[in-house]
Amino acid sequence: AQSVTQLGSHVSVSEGALVLLRCNYSSSVPPYLFWYVQYPNQGLQLLLKYTSAATLVKGINGFEAEFKKSETSFHLTKPSAHMSDAAEYFCAVSDGRTGNQFYFGTGTSLTVIP
Amino acid sequence: KAGVTQTPRYLIKTRGQQVTLSCSPISGHRSVSWYQQTPGQGLQFLFEYFSETQRNKGNFPGRFSGRQFSNSRSEMNVSTLELGDSALYLCASSLEGQGYEQYFGPGTRLTVT
Repeated sequence: AQSVTQLGSHVSVSEGALVLLRCNYSSSVPPYLFWYVQYPNQGLQLLLKYTSAATLVKGINGFEAEFKKSETSFHLTKPSAHMSDAAEYFCAVSDGRTGNQFYFGTGTSLTVIP
Repeated sequence: KAGVTQTPRYLIKTRGQQVTLSCSPISGHRSVSWYQQTPGQGLQFLFEYFSETQRNKGNFPGRFSGRQFSNSRSEMNVSTLELGDSALYLCASSLEGQGYEQYFGPGTRLTVT
């Protein structure tokens, strides 16, 4: 079975500081990995995805993530936080074997301090 | 291209009633998944439909059911509503195949009183 662990349910950073949101996955096969963002009272929006092409993936809004197989990690980073980055972030894994079922982490709420 | 749409956006029901939520996927997407999101439990997978067949199912009681039509539109039904069913219900659609992302609708906010 696939699973995702997001370390830190709440992360606070100062505006302009580095954002680092952690995600570790468990998968018995090479996974497909995704980061989504959710703003209040909205659905989830795709930030970026890893599908075994490049290990460093660039997404929207200046976010990027690096796939590290040895660490089974897919951490999300952004060099400089902006107030508009305050939201809930979800990491998800899919192995493509069980239809299109996604397994989501519990989410990390990002607060940006002015 | 239009995104995933969900109707209604907000709903208030009474315990014991039933409710039907609707989801229209992105054109060309045949996989539709449903999720329940609550502050305490986070995002929980309900079920996935593909070509009018339920392909995957999460760990929810039989009060939760769904279906998909030939045009890929999907509905989910919750019977005998309980207070704990109050949640944001999200629908997501995707292309078929490995590695495709899911596109989410804005959700339906269900409140059970």
